Amino acid sequence: AQKVTQAQTEISVVEKEDVTLDCVYETRDTTYYLFWYKQPPSGELVFLIRRNSFDEQNEISGRYSWNFQKSTSSFNFTITASQVVDSAVYFCALSEELTGGGNKLTFGTGTQLKVEL
Amino acid sequence: DGGITQSPKYLFRKEGQNVTLSCEQNLNHDAMYWYRQDPGQGLRLIYYSQIVNDFQKGDIAEGYSVSREKKESFPLTVTSAQKNPTAFYLCASSISLAPPYEQYFGPGTRLTVT
Repeated sequence: AQKVTQAQTEISVVEKEDVTLDCVYETRDTTYYLFWYKQPPSGELVFLIRRNSFDEQNEISGRYSWNFQKSTSSFNFTITASQVVDSAVYFCALSEELTGGGNKLTFGTGTQLKVEL
Repeated sequence: DGGITQSPKYLFRKEGQNVTLSCEQNLNHDAMYWYRQDPGQGLRLIYYSQIVNDFQKGDIAEGYSVSREKKESFPLTVTSAQKNPTAFYLCASSISLAPPYEQYFGPGTRLTVT
């Protein structure tokens, strides 16, 4: 069965520190996609990135970077020079093929990131 | 501007009553989804729909029902059969179900049943 593990329940850092959020997944699909979402206190999930299983290149977007390693089934997310506005719950998700066609997402349990002054 | 709206933000109901949560999108997306989120847990899929007049059960469909009469709308009814209805409910949409495009989420409805 598909599974996404975010072992870090809560992380607290001081502003300007770098922080890495871990995500480990399990899948039997040969083609799959991985996602990261941010959930600020308002509750709405905000899409951050989608990655397919064929593309292991790391990606950087401003202060955000993602490290995808198929060999260890991990898709880690690093925030450089963290800011208070980064405080949120971050979810990693994995696509799963559906029997009747299409895909659905399996979410991890999330990591609560608190960035303090 | 385009997006997903859910109303109301907070909803209170007495046990034994059915309640319908609204979800509307103007992104012209084909696929829509309902998730439930409980404290400290990830999102769990309740129902999803690929096209109008078609929908499928997700992982925790018992006690819920949906309809998809219009492309823009995917309301969720929490029935009295749902044993533990108090939760945060999130609606999402994506261009289609396959390949797995990113899903865009609404602001959520926090349902409290007493």
